[in-house]
Amino acid sequence: EVQLLESGGGLVQPGGSLRLSCAASGFAFNTYVMNWVRQAPGKGLEWVSATTSTGSPTFYADSVKGRFTISRDNPKNMLYMQMNSLRAEDTALYYCARVDISANSYDYWGQGTLVTVSS
Amino acid sequence: DIQMTQSPSSLSASVGDRVTITCRASQGISRYLNWYQQKPGKAPKLLVYAVSSLQSGVPSRFSGSGSGTDFALTISSLQPEDFATYHCQQTFNSPWTFGQGTKVEIK
Repeated sequence: EVQLLESGGGLVQPGGSLRLSCAASGFAFNTYVMNWVRQAPGKGLEWVSATTSTGSPTFYADSVKGRFTISRDNPKNMLYMQMNSLRAEDTALYYCARVDISANSYDYWGQGTLVTVSS
Repeated sequence: DIQMTQSPSSLSASVGDRVTITCRASQGISRYLNWYQQKPGKAPKLLVYAVSSLQSGVPSRFSGSGSGTDFALTISSLQPEDFATYHCQQTFNSPWTFGQGTKVEIK
């Protein structure tokens, strides 16, 4: 069974940092493109970042470019998002999602981890 | 970026109703259009990919249609478990973008 389990969210002050993790299991993690997608409270879904199966290249939404860094550890089946210089507008539920390349879609999502940026 | 606009933003319907949600792209996206269902407190779930292909396990009362810039998700006979928010997504261009969501509520 495919499982994605995020962790690392929490309350952080503006300008602070957090590292999100996503533990993958039940599939060959090292063969899949992985993404982070976020959802601000009461809002729609927003793509944040993507990484290829090997970890490079990586891609970012303009809103987080230069502040967030996506990475992965394939032997450990882990996906990460280092989030620096956090802003109030980064407050959201952050999901990791697996990409089905053949269908150009997200076929599995984690349950999400909540990041709240507030003083 | 390609803008995706869903309508309506919300709707009220009864069990057994036929429901249609539309999604319009700001430019042509060929058939790179997906639909997700999201229930409160849960992650989105892929329902339909490539406009009209049902994801494995999705009931046949769900169907997708459209091409170019205009797309639709239809639920032929609404069931109690279908009350949720539905999101369209384009994957024609990067960044992949979503509509704002359509909340289907019980009348």
